[in-house]
Amino acid sequence: AQSVTQLGSHVSVSEGALVLLRCNYSSSVPPYLFWYVQYPNQGLQLLLKYTSAATLVKGINGFEAEFKKSETSFHLTKPSAHMSDAAEYFCAVSEYGATNKLIFGTGTLLAVQP
Amino acid sequence: EAGVTQFPSHSVIEKGQTVTLRCDPISGHDNLYWYRRVMGKEIKFLLHFVKESKQDESGMPNNRFLAERTGGTYSTLKVQPAELEDSGVYFCASSQVFGGSGYTFGSGTRLTVV
Repeated sequence: AQSVTQLGSHVSVSEGALVLLRCNYSSSVPPYLFWYVQYPNQGLQLLLKYTSAATLVKGINGFEAEFKKSETSFHLTKPSAHMSDAAEYFCAVSEYGATNKLIFGTGTLLAVQP
Repeated sequence: EAGVTQFPSHSVIEKGQTVTLRCDPISGHDNLYWYRRVMGKEIKFLLHFVKESKQDESGMPNNRFLAERTGGTYSTLKVQPAELEDSGVYFCASSQVFGGSGYTFGSGTRLTVV
């Protein structure tokens, strides 16, 4: 069965600092991987996705993630944090099959300090 | 294009009452999903419609939950009777195709059962 583990339920960074949110997955087949973001009082927004093309995936708002098969990881990074990046971030893997449902991690709440 | 619309955005009901959540997917999206996040836990899949047919309802917690998608357009999720553990945020998502494209999520309905 596929699963996702997000390390760190809360991460705090200073404005301008590197953002690193960790995600490890478990899958017996090549996975599709996603990062979603939820800003306060909003829905889930797709940041980026990996679908077996380039291993370094660029997303919106300056975020990117690198798929590393040997480490079963898909960590999310941004070189310089902005106050507007404060939100909850979810890593997810798409389960193969007729449903193509998403299996989510528990989420990481990112705080950005001035 | 209009996004995925969910309403109500918030609902507070007493234990034992009935609540109906509604989701309007993006026009033309055959795939409609319901997910739920109970406080502090991960977002979990509930069920998947393809047009008006239930493709997968393996995530439905119990028979107090009933989902419908008449005519393959909007969907409703009814909880009857509601229990305290049903509290959480219910997300709806829609997609046009399979294969790792990711979904478009609605803003969610926050259900509180007291």
